[in-house]
Amino acid sequence: KNEVEQSPQNLTAQEGEFITINCSYSVGISALHWLQQHPGGGIVSLFMLSSGKKKHGRLIATINIQEKHSSLHITASHPRDSAVYICAAENSGGSNYKLTFGKGTLLTVNP
Amino acid sequence: NAGVMQNPRHLVRRRGQEARLRCSPMKGHSHVYWYRQLPEEGLKFMVYLQKENIIDESGMPKERFSAEFPKEGPSILRIQQVVRGDSAAYFCASSKHPTNEKLFFGSGTQLSVL
Repeated sequence: KNEVEQSPQNLTAQEGEFITINCSYSVGISALHWLQQHPGGGIVSLFMLSSGKKKHGRLIATINIQEKHSSLHITASHPRDSAVYICAAENSGGSNYKLTFGKGTLLTVNP
Repeated sequence: NAGVMQNPRHLVRRRGQEARLRCSPMKGHSHVYWYRQLPEEGLKFMVYLQKENIIDESGMPKERFSAEFPKEGPSILRIQQVVRGDSAAYFCASSKHPTNEKLFFGSGTQLSVL
């Protein structure tokens, strides 16, 4: 069974700061998903990656398969980035739906 | 191009009543997944359905919970004889294929059992 741990649990930043959220998992995976959950509950899939690095706007996701670790970075953070960020591991040989989710990181960006 | 639609957004039920949660996948998506988010816990997979078929229900509680995805109409997650412990946010997601794809999530249904 895969264990997915995120850190920190809560993160408060000032607008413009560089943000890093970390995710580690215990067993081999085929892919790692990063999700964003806004107040009010809706979930948006940000990235799905199995190696290296992906970038979308101010968001960057990296993964190190050997170290079983992934990071989500936000450059030039903005109050609208305030949300819960969730990482989820897709187990090796599994399908994209049977994910093991972390408990999330609550990010608050103050103006 | 509407996304994944869930309704209702909020559902209040008394203990013992039935709860029905609906999910319409994105256009062109035939794979639907249900997840539950209990207070202070991470999301947990419940069930995966394709049209008229349950593919994987390994995350569903053995009793009182059922799901369907009929040929016509939305997918339904049904909880019979609800108890306080069923209070949670229930999310539905869809995809065109079951592997190597991002999932598209709905806004969730917050179920409160009084």
